[in-house]
Amino acid sequence: DTAVSQTPKYLVTQMGNDKSIKCEQNLGHDTMYWYKQDSKKFLKIMFSYNNKELIINETVPNRFSPKSPDKAHLNLHINSLELGDSAVYFCASSPRGAGMDTEAFFGQGTRLTVV
Amino acid sequence: AQSVTQLGSHVSVSEGALVLLRCNYSSSVPPYLFWYVQYPNQGLQLLLKYTTGATLVKGINGFEAEFKKSETSFHLTKPSAHMSDAAEYFCAVSYYNAGGTSYGKLTFGQGTILTVHP
Repeated sequence: DTAVSQTPKYLVTQMGNDKSIKCEQNLGHDTMYWYKQDSKKFLKIMFSYNNKELIINETVPNRFSPKSPDKAHLNLHINSLELGDSAVYFCASSPRGAGMDTEAFFGQGTRLTVV
Repeated sequence: AQSVTQLGSHVSVSEGALVLLRCNYSSSVPPYLFWYVQYPNQGLQLLLKYTTGATLVKGINGFEAEFKKSETSFHLTKPSAHMSDAAEYFCAVSYYNAGGTSYGKLTFGQGTILTVHP
C-alpha cells in the first residue's frame, strides 16, 4: 500500500491551461503539504493543511489553489499555467500532535512540464 | 528565520570510502534536523532525524549524523560507501512554534548529489 500517492506522475500541458494534481495519504495523518522542487532541485514549501484547514501559505501566486476535501486528501489546482510552473510537485503528510520533530512522508512527485 | 546550507552540490567517493555530506543551519530556536535521500525519479525518504537527546543519530542504510550546536552543523556520514548510496541528499530543518503555525514545515538545503565510483 502506497502511503502518500499522487496522480498523475507526469503532466505535460500547454501554457494557459488549468490543471490539477491529486494527493491522497492513507497514514491517518492530519497534516498535509505541497512542496515544489524546481529545475535546480531546490525544495520549497508551498502550502500546508491541518485537518482541512490552511495553516501555511507561502508566497505562491494565487493561480495556485489547494483544496482539501478531507484530511486524507490535498489537491493542487493551477490556473493559467506558465512556463515557470514547470517543476516537480511533491505532496507530503505528517501526524499532528507529534510535535515538530515528526518527519514528513513524501509522495513520488508529479513532474509538471509546461510547453 | 531558518536556513540550511549544504556545502558541496556534488560529492564523489570510491566504493568503500568514507562518505561525508556537510550541512549547516541557522535557527533562532532549537532546531529539529533531518536528512532525506532522493533516488532518481522518486520521492524523498527519511534517513535520520535529530530532535532532542543524544547528539549522534543513527539512521537507515548505515548512515549517521552528529548535531553540533556550537558549530550549527549536522553533517551526514557513512563509514563505507556502497554503489547503492548514489543519490541526492537533502538536509532540512524544522522547529517547534508555540503558536502552532509551523506544523512541521521543513526548510531544505539545496541538496548534495553523491556519486559512488567502483
